[in-house]
Amino acid sequence: EIVLTQSPGTLSLSPGERATLSCRASQSLNSNFLAWYQQRPGQAPRLLIFGASNRATDIPDRFSGSGSGTDFTLTIGRLEPEDCAVYYCQHYGSSYRPFGGGTKVEIK
Amino acid sequence: EVQLVESGGGLVQPGGSLRLSCAASGFKFSTYSMNWVRQAPGKGLEWIVYTSSSTTTTFYADSVRGRFTVSRDNAKNSLYLQMNSLRDEDTAVYYCARDEQWLVRSVFYYAMDVWGQGTTVTVSS
Repeated sequence: EIVLTQSPGTLSLSPGERATLSCRASQSLNSNFLAWYQQRPGQAPRLLIFGASNRATDIPDRFSGSGSGTDFTLTIGRLEPEDCAVYYCQHYGSSYRPFGGGTKVEIK
Repeated sequence: EVQLVESGGGLVQPGGSLRLSCAASGFKFSTYSMNWVRQAPGKGLEWIVYTSSSTTTTFYADSVRGRFTVSRDNAKNSLYLQMNSLRDEDTAVYYCARDEQWLVRSVFYYAMDVWGQGTTVTVSS
């Protein structure tokens, strides 16, 4: 079973800065099955990216995903205050759907 | 509006049982696979159950296999989670989430694209 490890645990940046979040898999996975979610405080998760690099409906283009094999990245191009949230990667395995531990993005 | 609404959470003693419900609206529920995902207080997301549109295929996380059972009533647009032998560590917010697939340039992609607001389960004596 593939394990996803996210880093850093917390990222503290100023509005307008670029955020780079990492998701590393314990073994190579098909990028078609890698998704990213955003969870704002007190809210349910929201799908941001599917298939490693495809933005979901109504997701601003400052969010982008990339990567393949074992290393995947979520980039937030220009941070805005509403991007304060925890971000999770997820693998769609054949019989399981594990999440990474999450990266908390704080806005200074 | 596409919507999922969970209910049935509450306080239960260790070893007890609880049944959660997830009511779907705004889409053709019977054609979608569904998931349950939970989040313990202050912790990350944990996927626990997947079920196909007709429940012919179900997957459980190791942490709940043998204690939790998923079911659905497509005529009532509802998903259920029967939780037995509850433990302290089952305390969490429980979300139902829709399993979506996209076909983009002849490639299928998968993710959970619609989530409910969650229902809180507290296991405590």
